[in-house]
Amino acid sequence: DGGITQSPKYLFRKEGQNVTLSCEQNLNHDAMYWYRQDPGQGLRLIYYSQIVNDFQKGDIAEGYSVSREKKESFPLTVTSAQKNPTAFYLCASSSRGQGTYEQYFGPGTRLTVT
Amino acid sequence: AQSVTQPDIHITVSEGASLELRCNYSYGATPYLFWYVQSPGQGLQLLLKYFSGDTLVQGIKGFEAEFKRSQSSFNLRKPSVHWSDAAEYFCAVGTPNSGNTPLVFGKGTRLSVIA
Repeated sequence: DGGITQSPKYLFRKEGQNVTLSCEQNLNHDAMYWYRQDPGQGLRLIYYSQIVNDFQKGDIAEGYSVSREKKESFPLTVTSAQKNPTAFYLCASSSRGQGTYEQYFGPGTRLTVT
Repeated sequence: AQSVTQPDIHITVSEGASLELRCNYSYGATPYLFWYVQSPGQGLQLLLKYFSGDTLVQGIKGFEAEFKRSQSSFNLRKPSVHWSDAAEYFCAVGTPNSGNTPLVFGKGTRLSVIA
C-alpha cells in the first residue's frame, strides 16, 4: 500500500539534545512538507521541499533543520535551539504539477522534551 | 497571500442532527479548496476537494461542501451526524498555477457529538 510513514509514533528527549524525526513516502510524490501542531494553533508549516536537494523555510523554521537527499525521505531535525519543541509533528506529501494538489499526511510523531 | 478562517472553534451536535462547519477564505481568484478530518493523535485525512466545476462536491463518509464565490466560503455539511464523526476538521486553500506550494490551513473546528 502506498502511503507516508512517520517514525516513531512517540519520542521522548531531554532538553538540549537534537532529535531527528523520520518521514518516508512511497507515493512517488515530488513535494514533501513538515507541520507542527499545537492545541488551538492548527497546522503551522516548518519546512517544505518541492524537489530533491531543495527546500524552503516555512512560517516557523527557527530551531529546525531538514534535508532532502532522496525523493522518498524528508527527515526533520529538532535542534536544541528550538525553544519549545514539545508538539505533534506531521509530515505530508503531494504530487507536483500546476496548481496545488491535495496533501497526503502521515500518522504523526508526538515529541516530548523534558 | 491567501488565508483561511474557521469561525467556530468547537461545535457540539446531537447524534442524528445535521451539521454545517463554516470556512471562509481570502484569495484574489478561485482557489483550490479542501476539507480534512483528524481523529485524536492521528494524521489528517482528506474528506473532499474543489478545483473547479460543480460547486457542490461530495466527499467520503457522507460529507459534502459547497463553494460560494460570492461569499468566499466553502462550508462542510452532513445531513445526519454519527458519533464516529467526532474529530477535528480543517479547511485548507491552495493556489492554482503556483507549483507545489503548501496549502494554507485554518485553525480547525473541533466537533463533539452527544447522544
